[in-house]
Amino acid sequence: AQSVTQLGSHVSVSEGALVLLRCNYSSSVPPYLFWYVQYPNQGLQLLLKYTSAATLVKGINGFEAEFKKSETSFHLTKPSAHMSDAAEYFCAVSDHGGGGNKLTFGTGTQLKVEL
Amino acid sequence: KAGVTQTPRYLIKTRGQQVTLSCSPISGHRSVSWYQQTPGQGLQFLFEYFSETQRNKGNFPGRFSGRQFSNSRSEMNVSTLELGDSALYLCASSQGQGHQETQYFGPGTRLLVL
Repeated sequence: AQSVTQLGSHVSVSEGALVLLRCNYSSSVPPYLFWYVQYPNQGLQLLLKYTSAATLVKGINGFEAEFKKSETSFHLTKPSAHMSDAAEYFCAVSDHGGGGNKLTFGTGTQLKVEL
Repeated sequence: KAGVTQTPRYLIKTRGQQVTLSCSPISGHRSVSWYQQTPGQGLQFLFEYFSETQRNKGNFPGRFSGRQFSNSRSEMNVSTLELGDSALYLCASSQGQGHQETQYFGPGTRLLVL
């Protein structure tokens, strides 16, 4: 079964600094990977996804992620943090089994942006 | 297009009661998945419905059930509520054509069991 691990349940950065949120995956087959963001009292919003078309994936709000097979990683980055980026971020892998849609999520990383 | 909608947004129930949550997918989407989000267990997959059939199921007890109607709207039911069922229940929809698809999430229903 596929799984993802997010290192760091809480990350704090200064406004304008680089954001780096880590995600490592475990999969016996080429994975489909997703990053979602959740603002307080809201559902999940897709930031970006990897489906093997390109290893560097650009998403919304200036975020991007690079798929590195050799490191089994799919870390999320943003060059310059903004206060509005404060939220919880989830990495997820789509499960190939069962023939349907099933996402397995990491435990999430709470991003705090300080002035 | 309108997004995924979930009703109600908030619910308070007592132990032993049952509850039904509703989800309306994005127009044209035939797959609806349900997830439970709790501080302790995180986001966990409950089940997926596609064309009125359960296509995938997570590791939850039989008290959790669901169904899908011909218009793709879905309901999930939890019977004999327990305190541990307090959670945010999220519904997601997609066209249902494969696991590379994006799932679009609704705002969730927050259930509190007293």
